[in-house]
Amino acid sequence: DAKTTQPTSMDCAEGRAANLPCNHSTISGNEYVYWYRQIHSQGPQYIIHGLKNNETNEMASLIITEDRKSSTLILPHATLRDTAVYYCIVSSQPYNFNKFYFGSGTKLNVKP
Amino acid sequence: EPEVTQTPSHQVTQMGQEVILRCVPISNHLYFYWYRQILGQKVEFLVSFYNNEISEKSEIFDDQFSVERPDGSNFTLKIRSTKLEDSAMYFCASSDQGKETGELFFGEGSRLTVL
Repeated sequence: DAKTTQPTSMDCAEGRAANLPCNHSTISGNEYVYWYRQIHSQGPQYIIHGLKNNETNEMASLIITEDRKSSTLILPHATLRDTAVYYCIVSSQPYNFNKFYFGSGTKLNVKP
Repeated sequence: EPEVTQTPSHQVTQMGQEVILRCVPISNHLYFYWYRQILGQKVEFLVSFYNNEISEKSEIFDDQFSVERPDGSNFTLKIRSTKLEDSAMYFCASSDQGKETGELFFGEGSRLTVL
């Protein structure tokens, strides 16, 4: 069962930052937050993950609140190719993908 | 960049027929998975495989399903007697669990249509 809550959809203007929120109020101390995305019907693609600290990589930044009950994925300069469904996933074990529950995600529409 | 490859990209079959979906995971990965996504629905975990045996499976993965790693490179999902409700996109994935990548690599999927 998905342990996260995300908005169904969001719009973003091309070139602007896209901020995708996720609530995971029941997260426990050893659970990681992962973000994946799925472009059209392609296989899901890893974006970023974190435990407590904010993380940044070449694709995005992940901001986790101090109480860890919510997080925000930031795409700093969204492009049309970033239009996808974005999934926020809480995993009960680090790097164990046996119970990786994909919820409904947020459909991000990047508009010109 | 290494990738997971799946074949066929699309298969159409008659109800009751056997189907085998094939996957070539990334070469140094040791953990393999099958997920499925019925059109318009969520991505669902089916089964995980490590050290030549199933490590975990979901309720969806009943006796009609089986997985195999017949050689050092392929990882297959077999559906013995397909049903209409097996129509879905099937995704293979692999990981090198144990290293701090946090990444599960997915293939592009095999679309199964059962008529």
